[in-house]
Amino acid sequence: EVQLVESGGGLIQPGGSLRLSCAASGFTVSSNYMSWVRQAPGKGLEWVSVIHSGGSTHYADSVMGRFTISRDISQNTLYLQMNSLRAEDTAVYFCARERPMLLWGQGTLVTVSS
Amino acid sequence: EIVMTQSPATLSVSPGERATLSCRASQSVSSNFAWYQQKPGQAPSLLIYGASTRATGIPARFSGSGSGTDFTLTISSLQSEDFAVYYCQQYNNWPWTFGQGTKVEIK
Repeated sequence: EVQLVESGGGLIQPGGSLRLSCAASGFTVSSNYMSWVRQAPGKGLEWVSVIHSGGSTHYADSVMGRFTISRDISQNTLYLQMNSLRAEDTAVYFCARERPMLLWGQGTLVTVSS
Repeated sequence: EIVMTQSPATLSVSPGERATLSCRASQSVSSNFAWYQQKPGQAPSLLIYGASTRATGIPARFSGSGSGTDFTLTISSLQSEDFAVYYCQQYNNWPWTFGQGTKVEIK
């Protein structure tokens, strides 16, 4: 079955770090555009980052310099390393495949609060 | 950054009626444009890409049009399962950006 499963969310204090994972099955993460998209509680969608099949990366201005997208081909998993977390980073984080985003995971909730 | 502006914010429609949603880009995105549907508690799902191509399994009552800066999503006859929030997105320029969403609610 072709699917994406996110994990790694939780409660973290402001200034802390967290790494999200997105395990892919049924396809290879390295052969697709793979993105992270977030949604703050009760708000709309915000694109966060993408990694191309060739390895190039892009980020939203709001996370540039704090978040890093990467992938592990051996684990067939996408990651989002989040540093210097702020209250405004509180959201459900979705991973998604392709350009545009055809396949989505179910999301993982990140709450940044003291 | 390209700003995507959706209108209206909320659309009240009776089942069986036609719904027309709009999205405007602050600069041209060619046809690198998509519509997504999101229901409460669920991940978004892709409806339309390339401005007018329905994704696999999407019913023919959904149609997309436009290019450049102005785009439209039309739902020809609303079914109960179509009441949801709809987002537009451009994937022509970095960063990719979404509109703020249009909620289609039952009138």
